[in-house]
Amino acid sequence: DTAVSQTPKYLVTQMGNDKSIKCEQNLGHDTMYWYKQDSKKFLKIMFSYNNKELIINETVPNRFSPKSPDKAHLNLHINSLELGDSAVYFCASSQGPPPLHFGNGTRLTVT
Amino acid sequence: QQQVKQSPQSLIVQKGGISIINCAYENTAFDYFPWYQQFPGKGPALLIAIRPDVSEKKEGRFTISFNKSAKQFSLHIMDSQPGDSATYFCAASGGGSEKLVFGKGTKLTVNP
Repeated sequence: DTAVSQTPKYLVTQMGNDKSIKCEQNLGHDTMYWYKQDSKKFLKIMFSYNNKELIINETVPNRFSPKSPDKAHLNLHINSLELGDSAVYFCASSQGPPPLHFGNGTRLTVT
Repeated sequence: QQQVKQSPQSLIVQKGGISIINCAYENTAFDYFPWYQQFPGKGPALLIAIRPDVSEKKEGRFTISFNKSAKQFSLHIMDSQPGDSATYFCAASGGGSEKLVFGKGTKLTVNP
């Protein structure tokens, strides 16, 4: 059973499009995160939700909007995609503070 | 502002050798220091973690050494194996925040 699952695994789209990435965790955790890994492998937190409530919102363009319909799901919607948005996006979860359990990522390529 | 500095950026070790990766942090409120291992196409996976009340933690071939006064911690991989070839990230969190801050990663290659 996959603990943190993301869909899709790959996403190729053109500039200006809107896309969504979905994340689900079956660990019963109360906190979920989105991290961005750039081409140099640097991992940076974007958002964190605790029981559907936004608790961390880093300096991220407002084209990125997370949505948590329930504590097991955290989706990421991206409007007006730009070339610089190309990266691997990781969803993660934890029970309160770290450690975090990561999904296997969504590789987003914007052309 | 990089809160966790990791070195080296890449490391090549012969099979059976010792791999050592170092990290330094700035925020004295940090109280949790994990190491993550990432294989290509996969997400980071927790390898081992330490809190500042101990100076060393060992799990199998993996050991974290922690120096609170120097604000440094390191990962030692004993008897390194080709299967250990991956990217390793140190990280830190604490001070009431659930934000995990990562180092920039070390790509380890273990030659057979």
